[in-house]
Amino acid sequence: GNSVTQMEGPVTLSEEAFLTINCTYTATGYPSLFWYVQYPGEGLQLLLKATKADDKGSNKGFEATYRKETTSFHLEKGSVQVSDSAVYFCALIDSGGYQKVTFGTGTKLQVIP
Amino acid sequence: KAGVTQTPRYLIKTRGQQVTLSCSPISGHRSVSWYQQTPGQGLQFLFEYFSETQRNKGNFPGRFSGRQFSNSRSEMNVSTLELGDSALYLCASSSQGGSNEKLFFGSGTQLSVL
Repeated sequence: GNSVTQMEGPVTLSEEAFLTINCTYTATGYPSLFWYVQYPGEGLQLLLKATKADDKGSNKGFEATYRKETTSFHLEKGSVQVSDSAVYFCALIDSGGYQKVTFGTGTKLQVIP
Repeated sequence: KAGVTQTPRYLIKTRGQQVTLSCSPISGHRSVSWYQQTPGQGLQFLFEYFSETQRNKGNFPGRFSGRQFSNSRSEMNVSTLELGDSALYLCASSSQGGSNEKLFFGSGTQLSVL
């Protein structure tokens, strides 16, 4: 079956530091890949997505590139802010999988001033 | 445009009871899916409905059921509650439910089973 593996958290960074959250996946077909973010007390929000190999998703300074050869979709940001503190989820939907999303376990990010 | 609305926000039940959660998708969205979020298991897919039909189902026992109405609103029911059913239940909607579509999530219903 499908699975998503994320790096364990929590990750604590100082403001303006570089962020990488690793994500690798296993899927039977050609999945679409997503990063979702969850702020305290809220539901998930889509951060970015990529639907085919070598696509780069980007939003709010965050980027992730769909690497089929390494089955990875690592999240990066050049300079984090305190407001980026949240839980980040890597996720996939297999082709033809409608909205059956497989999520990673989530990585909590804490940014300190 | 209003977002995805889930009611109630919080719910406390005792073992053996049943519970019904409600989800109103974004206007015009026809796909509604449900997820269970717990600290131990993370986010797990329950089921997805599109035009009143269940299209996909996760690996949950038959105590978990759902339905979708003609206006796309959805309900989820859990019967014979167990302590392990305590979780945040999230509903999400999308326009057509395609595999590369963005999901819009509600804020969830926090269920506590005592």
